[in-house]
Amino acid sequence: QVQLVQSGAEMKNPGTSVEVSCKATGYTFTAYGICWVRQAPGQGLEWMACISTYNGKTDYAQKLQGRVTLTTDTSTTTAYMELRSLTSDDTAFYYCAREGASAGPTVLDSWGQGTLVTVSS
Amino acid sequence: DIQMTQSPSTLSASVGDRVTITCRASENIDAWLAWYQQKPGKPPKALIYKASRLESGVPSRFTGGGSGTEFTLTISSLQPDDFATYYCQQYKTYSRTFGQGTKVEVK
Repeated sequence: QVQLVQSGAEMKNPGTSVEVSCKATGYTFTAYGICWVRQAPGQGLEWMACISTYNGKTDYAQKLQGRVTLTTDTSTTTAYMELRSLTSDDTAFYYCAREGASAGPTVLDSWGQGTLVTVSS
Repeated sequence: DIQMTQSPSTLSASVGDRVTITCRASENIDAWLAWYQQKPGKPPKALIYKASRLESGVPSRFTGGGSGTEFTLTISSLQPDDFATYYCQQYKTYSRTFGQGTKVEVK
């Protein structure tokens, strides 16, 4: 079955960076995209970015442009999200999600368990 | 970016009720809309894609409708497992956006 397993919780100081990984199993990795969505405690969902695992093409939310980078390693079927210049506003659960097979954006049909990133001095 | 606005923000209902959540887009998104359900401490779960198509395994009491700028998610007979927060998401553009969520709570 499709599984997305994320790396563990992180605690970071302001101004530093964090990298969250997302290991995908149970399907052909390069046939589906991977997106990242975050959720601050008690708040709604915020789309961050997506990457095509086929050709590496990325789409980033304008507000995060320049601070976030998505990459994938097809040999290990793992996706990565790096967020730089962290502030307390970046404290949130970060989810990876599989984007359904399509030539363009589509539904996020499977989700990782979430990774809590806490930014505090 | 396309803005997605859900109403109501909170909905109080009882088991067996028919409930409807509305999602409005700031511009035409055709039928490029998904609905998700999220329970506390869990990741979201996809319910509906392309405005009205049910994801595999989702009960038929969930129905999605609409196109253009106005969409609905209807639960025909609310079950205990349905108390949760629901989000719409547009994927017409490469900058996908979510609505702010609708919490369905026990009346």
